[in-house]
Amino acid sequence: DGGITQSPKYLFRKEGQNVTLSCEQNLNHDAMYWYRQDPGQGLRLIYYSQIVNDFQKGDIAEGYSVSREKKESFPLTVTSAQKNPTAFYLCASSPTSGTLNEQFFGPGTRLTVL
Amino acid sequence: AQRVTQPEKLLSVFKGAPVELKCNYSYSGSPELFWYVQYSRQRLQLLLRHISRESIKGFTADLNKGETSFHLKKPFAQEEDSAMYYCALSGTGFQKLVFGTGTRLLVSP
Repeated sequence: DGGITQSPKYLFRKEGQNVTLSCEQNLNHDAMYWYRQDPGQGLRLIYYSQIVNDFQKGDIAEGYSVSREKKESFPLTVTSAQKNPTAFYLCASSPTSGTLNEQFFGPGTRLTVL
Repeated sequence: AQRVTQPEKLLSVFKGAPVELKCNYSYSGSPELFWYVQYSRQRLQLLLRHISRESIKGFTADLNKGETSFHLKKPFAQEEDSAMYYCALSGTGFQKLVFGTGTRLLVSP
């Protein structure tokens, strides 16, 4: 393993608090992604970024924000506006040329709102 | 719109039995299809993609454009195949992946 790291592994948050999930990659990939994984719903795309300083909303971006100031890092902030934030969050990265679209995943962060 | 359907939430088979995990897709262009697998306490990883036309861990998948399907098959299931399997779709070029809801495969001894 290695290549993509996510921290922390488990995170607890009180209602009304913002929390930031970390994602770092050393694969020299241009593209990075955030997914939310819920039982019975598969993976749903929150945000993605094809290049530094640029990112796009995915299918369920409401209540989330991201930044991409460095190629290696793509942190996700879960804001208090997210109505149901308790979930398993996965970060991924991929190249944007060559073997397109194969995404490499991190180990995930499980967020629980108390 | 792109959509991936995996109709089975759970597929339970005995060791040595054939396995077929179903995947159907909806896409107006030329799709790229993938199978990802998540073993217990491991990260999600690519199992195979249709463009490679390869067999990985005994699994194969054929893209059937007429039936818009990309079913995953293995002739003889093993206990270590127990995992969560996701079918995913992308268009050509840089496109975000669309995942199905996943099928949990349970192989019993």
